[in-house]
Amino acid sequence: ELKVEQNPLFLSMQEGKNYTIYCNYSTTSDRLYWYRQDPGKSLESLFVLLSNGAVKQEGRLMASLDTKARLSTLHITAAVHDLSATYFCAVAFINTGTASKLTFGTGTRLQVTL
Amino acid sequence: NAGVTQTPKFQVLKTGQSMTLQCAQDMNHEYMSWYRQDPGMGLRLIHYSVGAGITDQGEVPNGYNVSRSTTEDFPLRLLSAAPSQTSVYFCASSPRGLANQPQHFGDGTRLSIL
Repeated sequence: ELKVEQNPLFLSMQEGKNYTIYCNYSTTSDRLYWYRQDPGKSLESLFVLLSNGAVKQEGRLMASLDTKARLSTLHITAAVHDLSATYFCAVAFINTGTASKLTFGTGTRLQVTL
Repeated sequence: NAGVTQTPKFQVLKTGQSMTLQCAQDMNHEYMSWYRQDPGMGLRLIHYSVGAGITDQGEVPNGYNVSRSTTEDFPLRLLSAAPSQTSVYFCASSPRGLANQPQHFGDGTRLSIL
């Protein structure tokens, strides 16, 4: 059974600071996704990471994937209040060569304060 | 282009009642899935479908049925509602399995079982 753990679960940070959210998973996979969810809203895709060493950046967010360590990170640079949201990583379970099931982490609730 | 449309947005049921949550997508996506989101538990996969006529169970399928008679529609049926099924339900779709593109999520259905 694929398990996905995120930490921290809650993160309060000041504007302008840097921080990293970690996503660990338990079995082999080479597909990892990061999503953002605002309170009461749906999920918005941020990044798709498809191979070992993949790095993607969008604005103040940068995501990376290390498939050997089964670890992905979401790094926040110089946080701003608009980044306040819950961030989820999700890992695809590979079954007979086809990725068919997505397992989500429990989410990291990020609060950026002035 | 409406994307993924879920109806209803809110619903209150009594224990033992049955109902169907509707999900439709207009992007000709092959892969569709249903998740439930509970506080502190992220999203958990209920059922998924890799194409019309093909469905399979996810992590928490008990108490739910699905069918996929068309590419566009993927309804979720609660057979006999229980308070433990109080949750927010999200439907999602992606073009071909969980390949190199993220899932598109609907706005969710907030369901309360009394």
